[in-house]
Amino acid sequence: NAGVMQNPRHLVRRRGQEARLRCSPMKGHSHVYWYRQLPEEGLKFMVYLQKENIIDESGMPKERFSAEFPKEGPSILRIQQVVRGDSAAYFCASSPSLETQYFGPGTRLLVL
Amino acid sequence: SQKIEQNSEALNIQEGKTATLTCNYTNYSPAYLQWYRQDPGRGPVFLLLIRENEKEKRKERLKVTFDTTLKQSLFHITASQPADSATYLCALVPFTGGGNKLTFGTGTQLKVEL
Repeated sequence: NAGVMQNPRHLVRRRGQEARLRCSPMKGHSHVYWYRQLPEEGLKFMVYLQKENIIDESGMPKERFSAEFPKEGPSILRIQQVVRGDSAAYFCASSPSLETQYFGPGTRLLVL
Repeated sequence: SQKIEQNSEALNIQEGKTATLTCNYTNYSPAYLQWYRQDPGRGPVFLLLIRENEKEKRKERLKVTFDTTLKQSLFHITASQPADSATYLCALVPFTGGGNKLTFGTGTQLKVEL
């Protein structure tokens, strides 16, 4: 059983471009979480999704950020019009239930 | 305000000794607490979960305690090895509905020296 997959592992964008981060949860996991880790800071919750539904987006910035978890395919975290402050590591985690979360390797976004 | 505090200073210990890491929290009522390990450039790896009605949990060389009166969890690694060197994160899940979003401490870096 493969672990949580994230791609790309590294992403470089110029200010104003769009960034799309993908997360494939572990097989059988229907809960997906996105976290962001800024340099020298801890992991911060962004959004919690189940298939086709956003359950909790209390950690998402109000503008430019969106997330989806379609019926088929990976979960996508989308950042429009990126700014330098968006540079961070973005981690996806999946869970089969409401307890242990299994994290992917992360996508490191660098905004030039 | 809500806070989760872990020692920001790195902990250096000798191989074979017991490492003890601390997680303190304020203004939370956690349903349970988890410990993760994170290596540079990688995602956190789940280690142990302890519920609010449990005092202690063990897994191989790892032991976690949870004191809801002191609002503190201790994480112990016995017979430590250089391979245990990493950053260790504690994370809380509060008693609220809507899933179990984790709130993380900033982590403590452990270095086990030969």
